[in-house]
Amino acid sequence: EVQLAESGGGLVKPGGSLRLSCAASGFAFSDYNMNWVRQAPGKGLEWVSFISSRSYIYYADSVKGRFTISRDNAKNSLFLQMNSLRAEDTAVYYCAKEGSNWSLDYWGQGSLVAVSS
Amino acid sequence: DIQMTQSPSFLSASVGDRVTISCRASRTISNYLNWFQQKPGKAPRLLIFAASSLESGVPSRFSGSGSGTDFTLTINSLQPEDCATYYCYQSYDLPRTFGQGTKVEIK
Repeated sequence: EVQLAESGGGLVKPGGSLRLSCAASGFAFSDYNMNWVRQAPGKGLEWVSFISSRSYIYYADSVKGRFTISRDNAKNSLFLQMNSLRAEDTAVYYCAKEGSNWSLDYWGQGSLVAVSS
Repeated sequence: DIQMTQSPSFLSASVGDRVTISCRASRTISNYLNWFQQKPGKAPRLLIFAASSLESGVPSRFSGSGSGTDFTLTINSLQPEDCATYYCYQSYDLPRTFGQGTKVEIK
């Protein structure tokens, strides 16, 4: 069974940093592209970042230069390092697996990041 | 960037009704269009991939159509458990983009 489990969320002050982790199981993690998607309170889904199976990386303009996506295939883990956090980064952050048909076929339960003084 | 525009933003329908949600891409995305259902407090669930392919385990009352720039999600015979927000999502190009969502309410 495919499982994705995010961790590392919490309350942080503006300008602070946080590192999210996503532990993957039930599939050959190294073979698949992975994404981070976020959802601000009461708002829609926003795509954040992509990392291919071969570590090609892309970011949304809203986080470019502040967030860094990475993966550790040996540990079946995905990461999102978030620096220079702003109030508008407050959201539930989901990791999502990209299936062979280019869809997001499995999602984690989400991790809440709250940026507030 | 490819912009995805959904309509309507909100709809209210009765149990048993046929419901359609539209999604338009700002440029062609072939059939790289996906539909998700999200209920409050839950992660999104994949319903349709490649514009018209039903994800395993999704009820057959859900269907998708379209290609290029215009796409439709149809729910035949709306059920109470279909009360949710629906999102389209393009996986044709980076950055990936979602539509703004359509909230479906049961009358």
